[in-house]
Amino acid sequence: EIQLVESGGGLVQPGGSLRLSCGASGFTFSSYNMNWVRQAPGKGLEWVSYMSSSSYTRYYADSVKGRFTISRDNAKNSLYLEMNSLRVDDTAVYYCARDRGGGPRGFDSWGQGTLVTVFS
Amino acid sequence: QSALTQPASVSGSPGQSITVSCTGTNSDVGGFNYVSWYQQHPGKAPKLLIYDVTNRPSGVSNRFSGSKSGTTASLTISGLQPEDEADYYCSSYTSSSTLVFGGGTKLTVL
Repeated sequence: EIQLVESGGGLVQPGGSLRLSCGASGFTFSSYNMNWVRQAPGKGLEWVSYMSSSSYTRYYADSVKGRFTISRDNAKNSLYLEMNSLRVDDTAVYYCARDRGGGPRGFDSWGQGTLVTVFS
Repeated sequence: QSALTQPASVSGSPGQSITVSCTGTNSDVGGFNYVSWYQQHPGKAPKLLIYDVTNRPSGVSNRFSGSKSGTTASLTISGLQPEDEADYYCSSYTSSSTLVFGGGTKLTVL
């Protein structure tokens, strides 16, 4: 069974930092491109970032570019999102999601999400 | 990158069919066959229903179907069931190698 489990969410003040993790199991993690997607409370989905299976390619949404960094450790079957200079509007549930194609094309497996709350 | 445009809400009675539209531009929906659709129940993670415009993942009911014409993609749900009541989102790959979601559509089964 494919499982994605996010962790690392919590409360942080504006300007602060957090590091999210996503542990993967049930599939060959190193063969799949991965993404982070977020959802603000009561709002829609927003794609955040993509990383290729080899770590060679990374893409970011304009809203997080320069502040967030995606990374992965294929030996540990883990995906990460380093979030710096956090803002109130970064408050959201953050999901990691497995990509089914060669780019941010569509996400066939999702974690349960981890909540990040940025409060002043 | 602006969000794709979806109706805020649609409704239908059990057994009926409904269609949710998703309008973008030639830089996303119109330029690539990489439109996906997701179903999200309250408090749950999204679930992939359709990928690459028309394809259903294994295990997804054939009551769900996708199509595209120009810069507008569509999700059709036939034989509506009470458990179909949920939020539905489209997404598309873009010419900037990013991904954009639609604003979401709330489906009410009357």
